[in-house]
Amino acid sequence: GAVVSQHPSWVICKSGTSVKIECRSLDFQATTMFWYRQFPKQSLMLMATSNEGSKATYEQGVEKDKFLINHASLTLSTLTVTSAHPEDSSFYICSVDTGGDEKLFFGSGTQLSVL
Amino acid sequence: AQTVTQSQPEMSVQEAETVTLSCTYDTSENNYYLFWYKQPPSRQMILVIRQEAYKQQNATENRFSVNFQKAAKSFSLKISDSQLGDTAMYFCAFSTTSGTYKYIFGTGTRLKVLA
Repeated sequence: GAVVSQHPSWVICKSGTSVKIECRSLDFQATTMFWYRQFPKQSLMLMATSNEGSKATYEQGVEKDKFLINHASLTLSTLTVTSAHPEDSSFYICSVDTGGDEKLFFGSGTQLSVL
Repeated sequence: AQTVTQSQPEMSVQEAETVTLSCTYDTSENNYYLFWYKQPPSRQMILVIRQEAYKQQNATENRFSVNFQKAAKSFSLKISDSQLGDTAMYFCAFSTTSGTYKYIFGTGTRLKVLA
């Protein structure tokens, strides 16, 4: 499997500021990571697929200029919520795709609260 | 397009008893993977069990087993000898095996194990 570390676990920020969330694959070189968003008591919604060394692929309806994804190395992907607003408050989860195993391993998630 | 449906928003079961969670899906693919993930109150997503569509034998993992009916596109999870620690949200998920594959999650079933 893969051990995935996600930081921070929770963050509170003021409206208009930017927040960066890190997702690290500690024991697996991940060419692909996924970013999900989860509203309370709802399912995981795929936001984007993060590809190492190339641009992320965003799902329909997800603003790429608002949710900046950088996957500069095989062990780190970051999601930056730019100019955050209260409606961006949510639980964000990253996951690592272990390729041949077709299994996803998840980070522990980040609860973002925008005041 | 692939879809995953979980028709039971909430279920409860007495400790030590057996419970079955339902999941149906729709796809035109012939080969794919199906998963059950557990999300306890900590919100950490945990892989419970995985089934490869080309395998007719139902997957089992200790107290967890699936009933995979490919023709009916049904993939139910049976939890035997339910324990208090099984209390969680359970998500059924689907993944293709080729191309730009993505993981699609159902809406989840909230399971409560009663003492």
